[in-house]
Amino acid sequence: GAVVSQHPSRVICKSGTSVKIECRSLDFQATTMFWYRQFPKQSLMLMATSNEGSKATYEQGVEKDKFLINHASLTLSTLTVTSAHPEDSSFYICSARGGTGETQYFGPGTRLLVL
Amino acid sequence: AQSVTQPDIHITVSEGASLELRCNYSYGATPYLFWYVQSPGQGLQLLLKYFSGDTLVQGIKGFEAEFKRSQSSFNLRKPSVHWSDAAEYFCAVGPNQAGTALIFGKGTTLSVSS
Repeated sequence: GAVVSQHPSRVICKSGTSVKIECRSLDFQATTMFWYRQFPKQSLMLMATSNEGSKATYEQGVEKDKFLINHASLTLSTLTVTSAHPEDSSFYICSARGGTGETQYFGPGTRLLVL
Repeated sequence: AQSVTQPDIHITVSEGASLELRCNYSYGATPYLFWYVQSPGQGLQLLLKYFSGDTLVQGIKGFEAEFKRSQSSFNLRKPSVHWSDAAEYFCAVGPNQAGTALIFGKGTTLSVSS
């Protein structure tokens, strides 16, 4: 199946700094990528949908100025958590979907800890 | 409203016993249905999916699921559970439109006892 990678897998940062998370589709072109956030013992909550070359669509309640999403190419999307705070600590997972395909392939996730 | 319900938060099954994880959905149109598995600290792995056709679908690792339109259900089954199956299982539903996100259930934690 299709492979999606995320980098880094784990990051610890100080409060107030910014963190960038990369999501790459390794063997297919991802016209659409999704960013999810998962709290411990909970389900995935969609944060935003990004289509290559256009602005991301954010879910209600997600601050677009805090969670910057860029989908500059068909294989790469980035999520930047700006001015991170401890409450931003979470597990961030991206998924990618190619062309008109119906299946989403998920990355391994990034564990963010803000001190 | 579109939603996915997984009624069981936590299930414990003896190794070698059969397993059924329940999933009910509410969706206005014909949905695409998925089951994903997540090991601790890991991303999601696709177990199986249903788009159309035969309502009994086979997936990886010996799992299968049956789509029952009349019951709005898509339950996951495995005839004999292995200790390595202990994980979190998520049912998800999606529209048949590219570029639209999935809706996930809250997940069921599976523990396997020896």
